[in-house]
Amino acid sequence: DIQMTQSPSSVSASVGDRVTITCRASHGISSWLAWYQQKPGKAPKLLIYAASSLQSGVPSRFSGSGSGTDFTLTISSLQPEDFATYYCQQANSLPWTFGQGTKVAIK
Amino acid sequence: QVQLVESGGGLVKPGGSLRLSCAASGFTFSDYYMNWIRQAPGKGLEWVSYISTSGDSIYYADSVKGRFTISRDNAKNSLYLQMNSLTAADTAVYFCARIIPSGNWFDPWGQGTLVTVSS
Repeated sequence: DIQMTQSPSSVSASVGDRVTITCRASHGISSWLAWYQQKPGKAPKLLIYAASSLQSGVPSRFSGSGSGTDFTLTISSLQPEDFATYYCQQANSLPWTFGQGTKVAIK
Repeated sequence: QVQLVESGGGLVKPGGSLRLSCAASGFTFSDYYMNWIRQAPGKGLEWVSYISTSGDSIYYADSVKGRFTISRDNAKNSLYLQMNSLTAADTAVYFCARIIPSGNWFDPWGQGTLVTVSS
């Protein structure tokens, strides 16, 4: 199985801050990576797919980059509605696996 | 709009069984691969199972293989998960999710249904 490791596990930030979350795969996955946002008590929402493609309707302050084993999710200017937990997911091979999550909290 | 609504969760004793359902609307259900994904309380996401459009291709996570059975009824726009021999480790919110054709990405997800395994 491909293991996905996110860092940091949590981050405290203020509105307007730039936030970067990293995801590392235990094996190369090309660009087969997605990012999801989950708010408490809600289902995850797809933000980024194919490592850097923005899902329709997602604000442009979200961006993704990387390929192979190292990937990054960046929020360019944190907004109040962005406080949530973020997960990466590898879609290269079954079983599809997720990172452990990164909680973005209010500073 | 595209919508997935899960049902069937509840409290079940260890060793018991439960059948989850996911009702799809707003899209041509038979055109999409579907999945079950779960999340234990306070924990991360775990992919559980996948089924192809016609049901002829099915995969399971090792943690549920031999105990869970995924199925679908395209005429009823519905996805199912039959769960047998349940243990406390199966306690989680279970989400159904559609796979986007461009890749193995999950979108959208249902709101989830909670399964609690406890005596």
